[in-house]
Amino acid sequence: EVQLVESGGGLVKPGESLRLSCAGSGFTFSGYTMNWVRQAPGKGLEWVSSISGTRNNIYYADSMQGRFTISRDNTKNSLYLQMNNLRAEDTAVYYCARGYSSHWENWGQGTLVTVSS
Amino acid sequence: QSVLTQPPSASGTPGQRVTISCSGSSSNIGSDTVNWYQQLPGTAPKLLIYNNDRRPSGVPDRFSGSKSGTSASLGISGLQSEDEADYYCAAWDDSLNGVVFGGGTKLTVL
Repeated sequence: EVQLVESGGGLVKPGESLRLSCAGSGFTFSGYTMNWVRQAPGKGLEWVSSISGTRNNIYYADSMQGRFTISRDNTKNSLYLQMNNLRAEDTAVYYCARGYSSHWENWGQGTLVTVSS
Repeated sequence: QSVLTQPPSASGTPGQRVTISCSGSSSNIGSDTVNWYQQLPGTAPKLLIYNNDRRPSGVPDRFSGSKSGTSASLGISGLQSEDEADYYCAAWDDSLNGVVFGGGTKLTVL
C-alpha cells in the first residue's frame, strides 16, 4: 500500500524558516515524480513545486521561486521542502503527492504550517 | 484568481446528474490533459478523473470526465449525499511551466 506521511509543520514567525519532510513507502520512491501542494485555510489548492525521480527536473510556482527549495533523498525514500523567509500568506496545509504533471495518484494527510507573530 | 475557471458552487438532489465545468486556455487545457480531484471535508484531495476521462480503480462509474478544446467538465450522475465535497480541476500550463488549478467547486446535495 502506498503511503505518504508529511511532517515538520508548526508555528513560526514571519521571516523564519521551516523544513517539511514527506516519507514515502509501499512503492519504488526513486521512480516517481514527487510534488508539494498547499491549501490555505478555507481556500483552494495551490501547486507549490515538483521534482522528478532523478532530480533532473525541478519546477516551482512563481510565488514560491527563490524562497522555497524542493529536494529528495531516494536512499531515505524522502521528499523535502525547505521554506525560507516565511510570510503570513504561506500559512496553509502542505500536502505531498506522488505523480507526474497534475496527475497525482496518492496524497499524504498534510502538515499545517502557521506563520504568525 | 485561479488560472482555470470553475463555478464556485453547484447543487443537486439525490439521483440527479450534475456537471461542473472547468475553463482554461491553449497553454493549459488546450495542450495538456485535465485531472479532477475530490476533497471531502477535512481530508486530503483524492484523484477522481485523470487524463481527461479515465477513472482510477475504485472510483464509481457515476463519475465521468470530458474535454473539448480549452474546456473540460466533470459529470456526476445518480447524485448521492456522500458526493458532497469540493471538486478541483488541474492541468499543466506550458506558459507558466507549472501546474494550475481551478478555484474549486463546492457541491451541495440538497
